[in-house]
Amino acid sequence: GQSLEQPSEVTAVEGAIVQINCTYQTSGFYGLSWYQQHDGGAPTFLSYNALDGLEETGRFSSFLSRSDSYGYLLLQELQMKDSASYFCAVRDGQNFVFGPGTRLSVLP
Amino acid sequence: SAVISQKPSRDICQRGTSLTIQCQVDSQVTMMFWYRQQPGQSLTLIATANQGSEATYESGFVIDKFPISRPNLTFSTLTVSNMSPEDSSIYLCSALTSGQLKPYEQYFGPGTRLTVT
Repeated sequence: GQSLEQPSEVTAVEGAIVQINCTYQTSGFYGLSWYQQHDGGAPTFLSYNALDGLEETGRFSSFLSRSDSYGYLLLQELQMKDSASYFCAVRDGQNFVFGPGTRLSVLP
Repeated sequence: SAVISQKPSRDICQRGTSLTIQCQVDSQVTMMFWYRQQPGQSLTLIATANQGSEATYESGFVIDKFPISRPNLTFSTLTVSNMSPEDSSIYLCSALTSGQLKPYEQYFGPGTRLTVT
């Protein structure tokens, strides 16, 4: 079977750093993606890790450890506009299996 | 990058009827997918739309209920057939590129919000 776990909710203040974890158990694994989705909006791509290590894109970084079946999304210098849901997704062959999502609330 | 449009953006339908959702991508893409998402929930893959052949359905979804077409590399349709209130959801079209700069970046359409009464 396929299962991904994420914290359901995370709260942080503006300017802080927050880490959203994702653990997975899947029959196949080619890479881990992260998506952001604002209420009423479409998911938008943030990052993709196929290899172990840290990928940095501006204020966002994503980490993968394939041996631990674990990854995280790191958001730095939080802004109010970062309040959204964040989904990790495992690429299993040509398909993607999405995690349950983490709702991030950024407080002033 | 790819920009995806969907029609309709929302609809309210009576049970027993069918609705066809259209998805148009502004560039040729390698893969197209259809997802379902309940508000506040995760995305569930319905099927992969294959160009020129039958769609590949995930467990729990069947062609008779969710027929899919993909006549070319930029367009796909999803039909929700014989609808019941349990089909009320947001339906999302997505496309996958395999460009060198951002491999396997998946783009999503704005979604179709379906309510079945």
